[in-house]
Amino acid sequence: DQQVKQNSPSLSVQEGRISILNCDYTNSMFDYFLWYKKYPAEGPTFLISISSIKDKNEDGRFTVFLNKSAKHLSLHIVPSQPGDSAVYFCAASDSGGSNYKLTFGKGTLLTVNP
Amino acid sequence: DTGVSQDPRHKITKRGQNVTFRCDPISEHNRLYWYRQTLGQGPEFLTYFQNEAQLEKSRLLSDRFSAERPKGSFSTLEIQRTEQGDSAMYLCASSVPGQGRGAYGYTFGSGTRLTVV
Repeated sequence: DQQVKQNSPSLSVQEGRISILNCDYTNSMFDYFLWYKKYPAEGPTFLISISSIKDKNEDGRFTVFLNKSAKHLSLHIVPSQPGDSAVYFCAASDSGGSNYKLTFGKGTLLTVNP
Repeated sequence: DTGVSQDPRHKITKRGQNVTFRCDPISEHNRLYWYRQTLGQGPEFLTYFQNEAQLEKSRLLSDRFSAERPKGSFSTLEIQRTEQGDSAMYLCASSVPGQGRGAYGYTFGSGTRLTVV
């Protein structure tokens, strides 16, 4: 049972335009959400996070939006740069436990074309 | 380099052999995690240590798998009697105490890619 779903395996955008990566979740207990970025042959790198008490969090070119009623979050990258080309993983956690373990989606491969 | 270090980077083994991987976390991080990533999937939680105590194990971690973290420093993950289905990237991550971004914003190592032939 996939509790975190990234339904778009890939996304291609032009440099300078907006990239929007989407993520849906099914577990109502999830209350903390994160995006990780992964280059080939490297481990995932933490990008940005959001708590369920917020609906938006911004960090430079990256903004994450959370719609709790729809159990949906999205990552916006503006403007997109070729160096942003990577696999992006959405992850979620139930902070009711103390282990801080994450449930990841399958990832979306973003390609930013010059 | 003060990142998370994993060794080896690649391991090819024959089915039925035992393999052991090592992870050296960031020194001040007391939480250590092992995840497994198979082709086309996201990382899946395997187990978690707080200092030297193994506090949770996923049902993915069969009896053939064992993890240790002696003295709360480096960790090892051993797979006995490897099977082809064990072929995956094994990722180690560490994080600081506390809540929110610090606790969740793991630092991952580059992983050990295991191929069982």
